[in-house]
Amino acid sequence: QKEVEQDPGPLSVPEGAIVSLNCTYSNSAFQYFMWYRQYSRKGPELLMYTYSSGNKEDGRFTAQVDKSSKYISLFIRDSQPSDSATYLCAMTHLTGRRALTFGSGTRLQVQP
Amino acid sequence: KAGVTQTPRYLIKTRGQQVTLSCSPISGHRSVSWYQQTPGQGLQFLFEYFSETQRNKGNFPGRFSGRQFSNSRSEMNVSTLELGDSALYLCASSLGQGAGNTEAFFGQGTRLTVV
Repeated sequence: QKEVEQDPGPLSVPEGAIVSLNCTYSNSAFQYFMWYRQYSRKGPELLMYTYSSGNKEDGRFTAQVDKSSKYISLFIRDSQPSDSATYLCAMTHLTGRRALTFGSGTRLQVQP
Repeated sequence: KAGVTQTPRYLIKTRGQQVTLSCSPISGHRSVSWYQQTPGQGLQFLFEYFSETQRNKGNFPGRFSGRQFSNSRSEMNVSTLELGDSALYLCASSLGQGAGNTEAFFGQGTRLTVV
């Protein structure tokens, strides 16, 4: 079983829809949670960065972390065709191996 | 502020050859991590360098190695290339200390094709 599970999609939504992307994880030591957006043939771009449980909002993006359920989410409001990309969740901690553990990514398609 | 720069962007090598990839981190960042991205395995951690020392290592064979220079620039080397080494190699830059190590910024990657 992978440490981080993420539905690969593809997820297709109409323009203007609210998108919900999710990851579950098994390692309770994870404390830092990130969402990256990756366009085809590009490197991942950091979208949101949160520490421990709670919500964080940045423009049209909201990240939620529920450590008790080992579940994180990214919400995209008023989705645009330019949001079409693969979204990767990533997480890490400050003990042991300080590396990011990634989900497999969810491919999102926003239809105009 | 310049981002993470990786060179070259594309490489084609023959099985058995070796290759060196380069990464220049964001100015002021002292940690450089390398990841391999493939369709089947996703993003996997190779190793991390901080202040010219390898601080962490993933589960890859010894054919994969790296180093970091005093200006924080890093190189990654793969010897005796195999077909399965074809992948997008990504470099991530971060401050490297405390919680700042966790906010990592990626370069565009080097796409390596082994034939």
